[in-house]
Formats: sequence, structure tokens, C-alpha cells
Amino acid sequence: QSVLTQPPSVSGAPGQRVTISCTGSNSNIGANYDVHWYQQLPGTAPKLLIYGNSNRPSGVPDRFSGSKSGTSASLAITGLQAEDEADYYCQSYDSSLRGVFGGGTRLTVL
Amino acid sequence: EVQLVQSGAEVKKPGESLKISCQGSGHILTTDWIAWLRQMPGKGLEWMGIIYLYDSDIRYSPSFQGQVTISADKSISTAYLQWSSLKASDTAMYYCARTTVTTGGFDYWGQGTLVTVSS
Repeated sequence: QSVLTQPPSVSGAPGQRVTISCTGSNSNIGANYDVHWYQQLPGTAPKLLIYGNSNRPSGVPDRFSGSKSGTSASLAITGLQAEDEADYYCQSYDSSLRGVFGGGTRLTVL
Repeated sequence: EVQLVQSGAEVKKPGESLKISCQGSGHILTTDWIAWLRQMPGKGLEWMGIIYLYDSDIRYSPSFQGQVTISADKSISTAYLQWSSLKASDTAMYYCARTTVTTGGFDYWGQGTLVTVSS
């Protein structure tokens, strides 16, 4: 049971927009800790996609965006492409400054 | 460019000890934090613990406190993860990853070390 809650799977057709939610509590996201998002392609190490709730590292397409409100955060992907098919994880910290992850969301591009 | 290079795959028997490493190169600073993360087969990421290279301040996840030991040698920008007595349930891919106060997220990752524990 992960501390942060994500939907197990989402799907969308090429070109569509999908969102992945990440729900926490007042002990983590709601305590004003930033949310970070990672993309993990099959057989590879995760890659930082969004940091500090809504910031993209250099090289990450602007099709990816993040937001946070209250005890939840969201990752949005617009203009879905086949190469976006991957597992996506949200991550934050709790009040004891230990990291917490969501259980991961498998994105399928139809 | 920062690189984190982890030690190679390990196959161990239950009860054996193990220490794996994660060596940083490039723009790794002693003010960086290096975390260890576990990914069991077919499962999600788990935050095990984190070490501050400058003074080896360590924080463990409650789930892993007492089960593993995290350490570092800042002179060679290397972090370690060790077990004193492995269990079959320790079979997993282990990643190290760096975070800084600038991003807060894990911006560089090692390639992963696969640990297999089987009798």
C-alpha cells in the first residue's frame, strides 16, 4: 500500500490528452511538500519528468505539465505519442522528511 | 554532466551479506543527497533512505530502518547500501539517485543493481 495514491492505469489515443492523479494527505503533499514526477520506460531507470510540482527539467517536452492543489497533484500529457507508453510515478516527502512514492500508473497508448 | 554508476548484479544465498555501491562522477557535490530506492519485480518504486554526502546525515524509511545500512565515502563520491543477512524477499532492482536543494526531485539515476537472493 503506497502512501500516495495513483490510478493503476490510464490510456489514450495518439494526440489525446491524459491526466494522472496523485493523492496524498496533510502529512505529505498537503503539508506543502513539493511533488515530483518520474517516467519509467520498460527495462530502464526512472527519469525525472517534473520537479517542484510544475517545473520541467531541460529536455522534457512541454507536452508534459504538472500541477498541485491541496493534498493532490496531477500530471498532464498532451499530444499523446506512442513513446509516452510507460509507468509514471509521483513522489513527495512526509513530515519526517522521508520520501514517499505513489504506486505508479501504467500509461497505454491505444 | 552527472553520472551515477552502480556496481554489478549480484546473486546471493539467504543469510549472506552484501554491499553494493553507487559512484558519482561529473558535477557531484558534497552538498548533494544520494538516495537508495527499491523496485521489486513487477512492482513500483520504494524510497529506502537517503544520505547527505557532506556529513553522512542519513534518513531511513521506517520500512527499511534496521534492515539495511546506508553509508558513503565523500572523498570518492560513492554511496553504499548493505545488508548483513539477506532474505529471499530482498530480491529486487536497487537504484541510487541524486537530489539537490535546487530541484528536490531525483534528477540523476544510476543504472540499477539487480540483487537476486535464492537458495
